[in-house]
Amino acid sequence: KQEVTQIPAALSVPEGENLVLNCSFTDSAIYNLQWFRQDPGKGLTSLLLIQSSQREQTSGRLNASLDKSSGRSTLYIAASQPGDSATYLCAVRPDETSYDKVIFGPGTSLSVIP
Amino acid sequence: EAGVVQSPRYKIIEKKQPVAFWCNPISGHNTLYWYRQNLGQGPELLIRYENEEAVDDSQLPKDRFSAERLKGVDSTLKIQPAELGDSAVYLCASSPGTGTDSPLHFGNGTRLTVT
Repeated sequence: KQEVTQIPAALSVPEGENLVLNCSFTDSAIYNLQWFRQDPGKGLTSLLLIQSSQREQTSGRLNASLDKSSGRSTLYIAASQPGDSATYLCAVRPDETSYDKVIFGPGTSLSVIP
Repeated sequence: EAGVVQSPRYKIIEKKQPVAFWCNPISGHNTLYWYRQNLGQGPELLIRYENEEAVDDSQLPKDRFSAERLKGVDSTLKIQPAELGDSAVYLCASSPGTGTDSPLHFGNGTRLTVT
């Protein structure tokens, strides 16, 4: 059974620092992996999606990497800003047919201190 | 483009009472999902619709939960009777389909508190 974990559960950094969020999954047979952002009281917003054949994806100050063989993904945030404060969740999709079996991690709560 | 709309935003009820949540997906999105998110955890799928058809409801506690998506657009999720353990955020999401890169678009959720 696929399990997704995220460490740390919470992270606090001063503004301007570069930081890395970690996501681990137990079954390397995934179709893709997605990073989401969730603001308090809000739904999830998709940030980056990495297909199993890809190693990384970039969007602005965000860079997500994927190492299927080791069951790990990282989300790198450059030059962090207070507006980056939110919970970041990763989700793995095991096959291409549907989102039915997508497994979400518990999230990392990020606080960027001005 | 209008996003996924959910109502109400918050609901507080006593245990054993019924409750209903409503979701209006993005126009043209055929696939609709209901998720439940407990505090400090990621969302867990309850049910998925393809148009009007519920194609995966294996995670839905059918003794007290029910859902419908009439006409393949809006959807309602009902709990009757509610239990203390049902307190959570109920998220609705939609997508254009189940293709390779169909992203999920989430609503802001309904936060249910059962007392």
